Amino acid sequence: ETGVTQSPTHLIKTRGQQVTLRCSSQSGHNTVSWYQQALGQGPQFIFQYYREEENGRGNFPPRFSGLQFPNYSSELNVNALELDDSALYLCASSTDAWETQYFGPGTRLLVL
Amino acid sequence: KQEVTQIPAALSVPEGENLVLNCSFTDSAIYNLQWFRQDPGKGLTSLLLIQSSQREQTSGRLNASLDKSSGRSTLYIAASQPGDSATYLCALISSGSARQLTFGSGTQLTVLP
Repeated sequence: ETGVTQSPTHLIKTRGQQVTLRCSSQSGHNTVSWYQQALGQGPQFIFQYYREEENGRGNFPPRFSGLQFPNYSSELNVNALELDDSALYLCASSTDAWETQYFGPGTRLLVL
Repeated sequence: KQEVTQIPAALSVPEGENLVLNCSFTDSAIYNLQWFRQDPGKGLTSLLLIQSSQREQTSGRLNASLDKSSGRSTLYIAASQPGDSATYLCALISSGSARQLTFGSGTQLTVLP
């Protein structure tokens, strides 16, 4: 069984640019959640997608947006990058919005 | 708003010692609570999940307890090993419409050989 995968593993962007991060959910999982983890902090919830619909959103501005596809993979898009967007971005999938979330290895984003 | 606190932020123990990591939360209306392990620069590995109706869960040398009335959970690690060195994160899903995991900042554990 394939676990949650994320791409790319590392990314360097400059301030003002746009970035797209990708996540493939675990087989049989229909829910994907995205988290931002700054250095030395716990992950912060960005949003969740359930069956291609946004199912909850944390305290992040609209320049953070997402998509979930029919195969339940997902994208996180961030526009107008700021220095503070530098973080580890984690994707998690689950069989339902309330169930155990299984995390991918993350994408490390550095904004210069 | 749910807040999760983990104390201490860092802990260093000699190999073989039994230890307890603490997690406290402000709102007792939770759906479940999870303990995760995170190695440096890596993703999260789920260790134990406790449903709201449960008091504890065990897996190998790990035991997690939940006391909703006091807003506390503990992770007990028996006979610690250097390979247990990592950051341990507590996270919970609150009851109600929100479905996100709310995390603490973690306890960085170092087990010395």
